[in-house]
Amino acid sequence: AQSVAQPEDQVNVAEGNPLTVKCTYSVSGNPYLFWYVQYPNRGLQFLLKYITGDNLVKGSYGFEAEFNKSQTSFHLKKPSALVSDSALYFCAVRALRGSQGNLIFGKGTKLSVKP
Amino acid sequence: NAGVTQTPKFRILKIGQSMTLQCTQDMNHNYMYWYRQDPGMGLKLIYYSVGAGITDKGEVPNGYNVSRSTTEDFPLRLELAAPSQTSVYFCASSSDRGQGTFGSGTRLTVV
Repeated sequence: AQSVAQPEDQVNVAEGNPLTVKCTYSVSGNPYLFWYVQYPNRGLQFLLKYITGDNLVKGSYGFEAEFNKSQTSFHLKKPSALVSDSALYFCAVRALRGSQGNLIFGKGTKLSVKP
Repeated sequence: NAGVTQTPKFRILKIGQSMTLQCTQDMNHNYMYWYRQDPGMGLKLIYYSVGAGITDKGEVPNGYNVSRSTTEDFPLRLELAAPSQTSVYFCASSSDRGQGTFGSGTRLTVV
């Protein structure tokens, strides 16, 4: 069965410092991986995805993520955090195998960036 | 381009009442999903559909029903509302390989 793990409930970072939000996955076949951000009382907004190709994926708002097949990880990163990056971040995976193309989400990681 | 439209945005139900949450997408996506998000929790998949006429259960289907008569519409039905169904409900759609596009959510309270 597909699953996604986000091992940290919360990540605290000082503004200007680099940030990492961790994600590991389990899926049969090739994974399609996604990161979303959710601001309070809003829906989920797509940040970036890995389908195939370069393991380093660049997305919106200066975020990037690195796909590591051997470690089954897809950590979200940003070189310099902003206070406005404070939000809830979700990692998601899907695998196109039969009818199991549904999106499965991690439980989310709350990112708090302090000035 | 409207994307994914959910209605209503807010609703208060009494225990035992029923209601339908509407979801429509205009992107011709095959996949559609319903998730619930409880406070401080992640998204749990209720039902999903891979195309018109095809639906399947997700992680937490009990107390809900869905139908997919057209590509565009994927309504979620609550038959006998219970306090445990108090949550925020999100509908999403996606192409076969694409990311999900989410609606703005329905905040449901069962009292």
